[in-house]
Amino acid sequence: EVQLVESGGGLVQPGGSLRLSCAASGFSLSNYWMHWVRQAPGKGLVWVSRINSDGSTTNYADSVKGRFTISRDNAKNTLYLQMNSLRVEDMAVYYCARANNFDYWGQGTLVTVSS
Amino acid sequence: QSALTQPRSVSGSPGQSVTISCTGTSSDVGGYNYVSWKQQHPGKAPKLVIYDVSKRHLGVPDRFSGSKSGNTASLTISGLQAEDEADYYCCSFVGNYTYVFGTGTKVTVL
Repeated sequence: EVQLVESGGGLVQPGGSLRLSCAASGFSLSNYWMHWVRQAPGKGLVWVSRINSDGSTTNYADSVKGRFTISRDNAKNTLYLQMNSLRVEDMAVYYCARANNFDYWGQGTLVTVSS
Repeated sequence: QSALTQPRSVSGSPGQSVTISCTGTSSDVGGYNYVSWKQQHPGKAPKLVIYDVSKRHLGVPDRFSGSKSGNTASLTISGLQAEDEADYYCCSFVGNYTYVFGTGTKVTVL
């Protein structure tokens, strides 16, 4: 069974940093692109970032470019999102999703940015 | 990249059909056959329903169908059932390995 489990969310002050993790099981992460998608409270889904299967290519939404870094450790079957210079508008549930079709999603981890 | 435009809400009685539109531009929806649809129940993670415009994901009932014409993609739910009440989001490849989601549509089963 394909499973994605996010962790690492929490409360952080504006300007702070957090690193999110997404642990994959039931499949080999090395075979798939992966994405991060976020959803602010009561709002819609927003694509954040994508990484190719071996980690050599990454892409970002303009709103996070230069502040967020997506990475992966295929040996650990884990995807990461390093978030720096966090802003109030980054507050959201962050989901990891598999493949170019976003075919499986984790349950999400909540990031709260507040002073 | 601006969000794709979806109606805020649609509704129908059980057994009826509803169609959700997703309007973009020639740079996203109109430019690629990589439109997908996600279903999200309250408090839950999204689930893939349709990918590559019209292909159903594993286990998705055949009452869900997708199509595209020009810059507008559509999701049709035929034979509406109570469990179909949820939020639905379209998503399109934009090029250069980036993506954009739609604004979301709440489907209500009357």
